Amino acid sequence: QKEVEQNSGPLSVPEGAIASLNCTYSDRVSQSFFWYRQYSGKSPELIMSIYSNGDKEDGRFTAQLNKASQYVSLLIRDSQPSDSATYLCAVSSTGTASKLTFGTGTRLQVTL
Amino acid sequence: DGGITQSPKYLFRKEGQNVTLSCEQNLNHDAMYWYRQDPGQGLRLIYYSQIVNDFQKGDIAEGYSVSREKKESFPLTVTSAQKNPTAFYLCASRGTSGTFSYNEQFFGPGTRLTVL
Repeated sequence: QKEVEQNSGPLSVPEGAIASLNCTYSDRVSQSFFWYRQYSGKSPELIMSIYSNGDKEDGRFTAQLNKASQYVSLLIRDSQPSDSATYLCAVSSTGTASKLTFGTGTRLQVTL
Repeated sequence: DGGITQSPKYLFRKEGQNVTLSCEQNLNHDAMYWYRQDPGQGLRLIYYSQIVNDFQKGDIAEGYSVSREKKESFPLTVTSAQKNPTAFYLCASRGTSGTFSYNEQFFGPGTRLTVL
């Protein structure tokens, strides 16, 4: 059974701080990793994808992947109240028609 | 505008009824997916289709049916056999060409189904 694990939170960070969200996965052959942001009552929005070990930066967001440790994380710098949402980690393996396995999400609260 | 549309936004079903949820995309994507989301849970895959006239069961296909007669459309029918259909239903699509980015899935706005 392929699993993706996330701490459900809530993770509370003050405005302007760095938010760190973590995700572990069980399938060693996983190749593609994604972070989605989901506001309450809305559909998930893709914010980051990462395919190789290391860091990938896009604006205030940095995704980090460590395949040896089966660990992927998302850092949000200069957190804003508008970043308050649930962040879903998703993992895909090759040869699986790119089916995604989702974690249950981490709820982030950015406080003023 | 390119994107994925789902209708209706809200749907109410009586016991014993079949209902059909619409999903349309104009992104020229080959693959389409249906997920279900329950409160506090991750998304679970119901059905997916990689090409027209072909589709496969996902992890929780029982009580659901789909068709893929056109590239742009992938409707989902929730049948009376689905015992607990109240959930948020999400349709997604994915391109199938190019680099690794072809694995990226993009979601429609969702349909919230409630059984009365």
